[in-house]
Order: sequence, then structure tokens, then C-alpha cells
Amino acid sequence: KQEVTQIPAALSVPEGENLVLNCSFTDSAIYNLQWFRQDPGKGLTSLLLIQSSQREQTSGRLNASLDKSSGRSTLYIAASQPGDSATYLCAVGPSGNTPLVFGKGTRLSVIA
Amino acid sequence: EPEVTQTPSHQVTQMGQEVILRCVPISNHLYFYWYRQILGQKVEFLVSFYNNEISEKSEIFDDQFSVERPDGSNFTLKIRSTKLEDSAMYFCASRAGTGAFYGYTFGSGTRLTVV
Repeated sequence: KQEVTQIPAALSVPEGENLVLNCSFTDSAIYNLQWFRQDPGKGLTSLLLIQSSQREQTSGRLNASLDKSSGRSTLYIAASQPGDSATYLCAVGPSGNTPLVFGKGTRLSVIA
Repeated sequence: EPEVTQTPSHQVTQMGQEVILRCVPISNHLYFYWYRQILGQKVEFLVSFYNNEISEKSEIFDDQFSVERPDGSNFTLKIRSTKLEDSAMYFCASRAGTGAFYGYTFGSGTRLTVV
């Protein structure tokens, strides 16, 4: 059974800092991996999707990498801003129409 | 950017009552899902739906739950007799296909409070 773990559970950084959020998964046989952002009490906003054949994806200040063999993904946020404060969720797509498996998230606070 | 729309945003109901949560998936998407998130816990899968039938359901999705696509645009989740432990944020999601290229688009959620 696929398990997804995100470390750290919470992170507080000063504005402008570059940071890395970590996601690990137990079964390397995945289809894709998706990073989401969740603001308090709100829905899930997709940030990046990495297919299993890819090593990384970039969108603006965000860069996500995937190392399937070691069961790890990282989300790199450059030049963090207070507006980046949110919970970041990693979700693994095992295969085809098999449901996404989520981690518990990393709660990020960027202090001005 | 196309959106998945969920209504209502917040619903309070008494234990034992029936509730229907509504979703309008993205118009050209074919695969529909319900997930839920109990406060402080992981987002967990409830059910997937394709071609007017359930594709897969989790052990959470027991006989108290049902889903329906009553017309070409709406996708609903019904809970027949709500329990206190059904209190959670319920998310609807859709996607256009099941290949690795296709990501999920989630709605903004319905917060269900059972009292």
C-alpha cells in the first residue's frame, strides 16, 4: 500500500529565503506526482505535475523534482514571499485511474 | 482557467439527516472523484466515477454514501444518514483522462459540519 510522507510538517522562514519541501513515497511504481497548495479552509490548487518519465518541472519560482528510484520528490521555492504561506501537499498517482494518495502536507509560514 | 465548482461552501446538518453535496466538474473532463479531509488529517479518497458508474471506492464509501451524475454537468455526493464523524471538508475533483499527463483539478470544497 502506497504511503506518502512529507517532511517537515511545518516550516517558518524569513521572506526572501529559498526553501525545499520534501515528499517521500514507499512504492516507486508511480504514474505521476502532483504538488498542491492549500490555504486555510480552502480547496486544493494544483502547482505542478511531474510525470513518472520526467525528472523535474518548473513554474515561475517553483521547481519540483522527482527521483522515482529513491521514492522522493522535492518542491523548491525560490525567493519566498509572505503570499507563499500555505500548506503544500504532495500527492502520488499510482497508476491509471488508481486514486491519488496524499501526504499530510507541510505548513509553510513566510515572515515579512 | 477552467474550474471545478462546489456548492454549498459550508453546510451544517443534524445527525441522521441526509445531505447532498454538489459539484460541477470541468466540462470536457470524463473522470470524477470525491475526496474528503477531516480536520488535521490527510486528504483521503472516497470514490471515482466514469461513464456513469463507480470505478472504484474506498472502505469509507459504505452504503450511506452514493454518487450520481443526474445530468450532463452536475456530479453529486449524497450521505443518507449523517454521523458526527462525517464532519469534514469534501472535495470534488475531475480530470480529462487517466494518463500520466493528466492532473487533477479540485474544487474549493464543501465544509460539512454534523451536529
